[in-house]
Amino acid sequence: TQLLEQSPQFLSIQEGENLTVYCNSSSVFSSLQWYRQEPGEGPVLLVTVVTGGEVKKLKRLTFQFGDARKDSSLHITAAQPGDTGLYLCAGRNTGGFKTIFGAGTRLFVKA
Amino acid sequence: DAGVIQSPRHEVTEMGQEVTLRCKPISGHNSLFWYRQTMMRGLELLIYFNNNVPIDDSGMPEDRFSAKMPNASFSTLKIQPSEPRDSAVYFCASSFADRRVPEAFFGQGTRLTVV
Repeated sequence: TQLLEQSPQFLSIQEGENLTVYCNSSSVFSSLQWYRQEPGEGPVLLVTVVTGGEVKKLKRLTFQFGDARKDSSLHITAAQPGDTGLYLCAGRNTGGFKTIFGAGTRLFVKA
Repeated sequence: DAGVIQSPRHEVTEMGQEVTLRCKPISGHNSLFWYRQTMMRGLELLIYFNNNVPIDDSGMPEDRFSAKMPNASFSTLKIQPSEPRDSAVYFCASSFADRRVPEAFFGQGTRLTVV
């Protein structure tokens, strides 16, 4: 069974601080996605990483896929209250269509 | 473009009643997923379809749960009979079954409360 473990589970920081969220697995994934979910809404895709070692930037967010395609990280620079939400990583299994999700990191950025 | 559409948004029902959740995927998508989200267990994949065919239903918790996809534009998730522990937010998502574009697009969810 493929599992994705996210850490930390909960993070409360002040506006302007930097943070990193981790997503780890013992399994190899063909691709990995990061989603953000706000209360009362479904998860919304932020980025997809496909190649081992790949780094993608989305404004203040930097996503990295591990060389072995088993782990990923999300780094937020100068966090803002608008970044508050549940961040989910999701991995797609190699050779299939199934996507599994980590439990998520709940981020709260205080003004 | 309309995204994934789920109905109802909220459902409150009594234990033992039948509940049917509905989903209209994004037009042209050929994969559809049903997820359940709770605080305790996070987002769990229940079942997914590819080209209207159920591929993996290993996440369906019990025989009380069933899902159908009669055509490319509609799917249902049914719980019969419902129990209080089924209370959760149920999400439907759709995507292209293309390994280069694996992103799933989610609906807004149905919040189910079984009392």
